Parts: sequence; C-alpha cells; structure tokens
Amino acid sequence: GEEVAQTPKHLVRGEGQKAKLYCAPIKGHSYVFWYQQVLKNEFKFLISFQNENVFDETGMPKERFSAKCLPNSPCSLEIQATKLEDSAVYFCASSQPFVETGGTDTQYFGPGTRLTVL
Amino acid sequence: SQQGEEDPQALSIQEGENATMNCSYKTSINNLQWYRQNSGRGLVHLILIRSNEREKHSGRLRVTLDTSKKSSSLLITASRAADTASYFCGSISGGYQKVTFGTGTKLQVIP
Repeated sequence: GEEVAQTPKHLVRGEGQKAKLYCAPIKGHSYVFWYQQVLKNEFKFLISFQNENVFDETGMPKERFSAKCLPNSPCSLEIQATKLEDSAVYFCASSQPFVETGGTDTQYFGPGTRLTVL
Repeated sequence: SQQGEEDPQALSIQEGENATMNCSYKTSINNLQWYRQNSGRGLVHLILIRSNEREKHSGRLRVTLDTSKKSSSLLITASRAADTASYFCGSISGGYQKVTFGTGTKLQVIP
C-alpha cells in the first residue's frame, strides 16, 4: 500500500495483560521502525528492522517487549505483562534505502496505536 | 536517547503571518526531517533536508540547515488556521538510521 497501516487504533489492557500491535509498511520499503510517544511530545525509538532482520534494538526494554517482521505478514510489536508506564502511542514508520549513501530515505509514519494500560 | 531541542515550545500567530520554528541537534547528521502532528493524530512528513543541503522549499514551507551550528529552521509563510499543529524535527545520524526527535513546537494559528 501507499501508506503505513497500523492496527488497532486503540488498545486497552489491564496491568499484566499482553498487548500486540501490528504494522504494515509501505510496499517496497525494506526498513521498519517502531517509536513510542509519551506525554504527547517525547518520542522514544524502540527497534528497527531491515526486511525481516533486526537492524537496531537499542531502544527495546527487552524483558517485556518483543518485535518481529516476518515475510508476507504485518510486522508486530508485543508487550508481555503490560505496566501503567507502557501507556503511550506507538508509531510504526517505514523507509526505503537511499542508494547514494546506503542509508535510509524519508521515514513515513503510520497513524499510531494508542495503548492504554489500566 | 538524546533529544534535540526546538524553540519556541509554543507559538501563537494570526492567520496570514509567518511562523518560524528552530531545531537544534547534538551530533553530525545524515539528514533532518520535519514532521507535523495534528492533535491526537499521526506524524505527517513535510520536508527532508540532507546534510549537504542548506535550504529546501515545498509550497509555503522553507527549511534551512546549518550544520556548523547544528541547527535547522522551518518557516511557514502566509499561515492558515489549518496549519495549527505540533511540528517536530527529527535528525538521523550514524549507521542505524533511527530518528532522534526534537521536543516539538506547538503552533496555533488564529483565524
């Protein structure tokens, strides 16, 4: 597709429950990024993928967060045993390579999934 | 992770006026991207400027980049009420390509 799609739009979980978020990147984009936005302003990088391989996971709280990007499936971000502080909007972005430098080009963001942990 | 800084934090102007937002970042960059976020919505990409570029235009938007000062500015000319939103700069540096976002500028355009 031409837009990054994220589901669900809203997710409500009780503390300790599992939450799973999905992202379908723009067709042809080989990089996928997950970010967490808390308090309406602060963005935190979580993890990125190059195709189905983890590219950078330096932002992931590994004890409870996991993510995958498998061929022919939406990417997913899973939070086991959610905590109150996990309440945030989770954004997925995708990008294609920028051939000249070997880096990435514009990152296009999805509409986000708002996770509320009660 | 380090955050860039944007100023002002909030800006209120009349419709038709120009709005300027500034962004500073901490490390050498590959590129810098500006985004708009309407209340409760996702990020809309506005402009990407690469480290070897100094200025870029798109419609009513003008972005400048000064790598010696590690700063960028976004100018919106002839603002409209529909420009009311939060604006974020995001820098990409190093090999891992993650965006490091600024703190955002909340722009209000009064009709």
